Amino acid sequence: EAQVTQNPRYLITVTGKKLTVTCSQNMNHEYMSWYRQDPGLGLRQIYYSMNVEVTDKGDVPEGYKVSRKEKRNFPLILESPSPNQTSLYFCASSLVDNIDEQFFGPGTRLTVL
Amino acid sequence: ELKVEQNPLFLSMQEGKNYTIYCNYSTTSDRLYWYRQDPGKSLESLFVLLSNGAVKQEGRLMASLDTKARLSTLHITAAVHDLSATYFCAVDRKGSNFGNEKLTFGTGTRLTIIP
Repeated sequence: EAQVTQNPRYLITVTGKKLTVTCSQNMNHEYMSWYRQDPGLGLRQIYYSMNVEVTDKGDVPEGYKVSRKEKRNFPLILESPSPNQTSLYFCASSLVDNIDEQFFGPGTRLTVL
Repeated sequence: ELKVEQNPLFLSMQEGKNYTIYCNYSTTSDRLYWYRQDPGKSLESLFVLLSNGAVKQEGRLMASLDTKARLSTLHITAAVHDLSATYFCAVDRKGSNFGNEKLTFGTGTRLTIIP
């Protein structure tokens, strides 16, 4: 089954404790992206990647890191999480030529205390 | 900075009625997308509109794009309860390396269809 998976689905952590949210897709997509969703703000793009080793900042990259060492994986790293990073995070993937047809993962709800 | 505005933000309508959701954006873009999100779920792609005058229809939903006015509409015909969801529009724009790989979403329209 074609899908984008994220882990964990739910996470409660404390300020400053490094964490990684994994994202994996099995559709051989070149393009992958991370978004955060907050009430009243819609989705905002954090980082995206056009292919292996090619990443770039979205609109809200501060406090986040990403890496793209393999085509299928695009982890989101929070080196020192803060409460303002409490949010619902979505990973998405698509073919480069069809960025509109993004497939979204199920979401990760992160709470930073 | 690209801004994408949707209105209304909340819409409650009766089954069988017609209504339109509007999506305005602030800078030139050639592509506009519509997504649907059910409560507690992820996003699902509905439409991609690639050029001025583009119109796409799926069931009771029809989306159109006017790039000169920087406006897209999502029209709902004879609404049914199953259409209750939050609808997002999104616009692409250039990144630093390649083509239009950045995506900016609107704030969403929460649609509730009342029996």
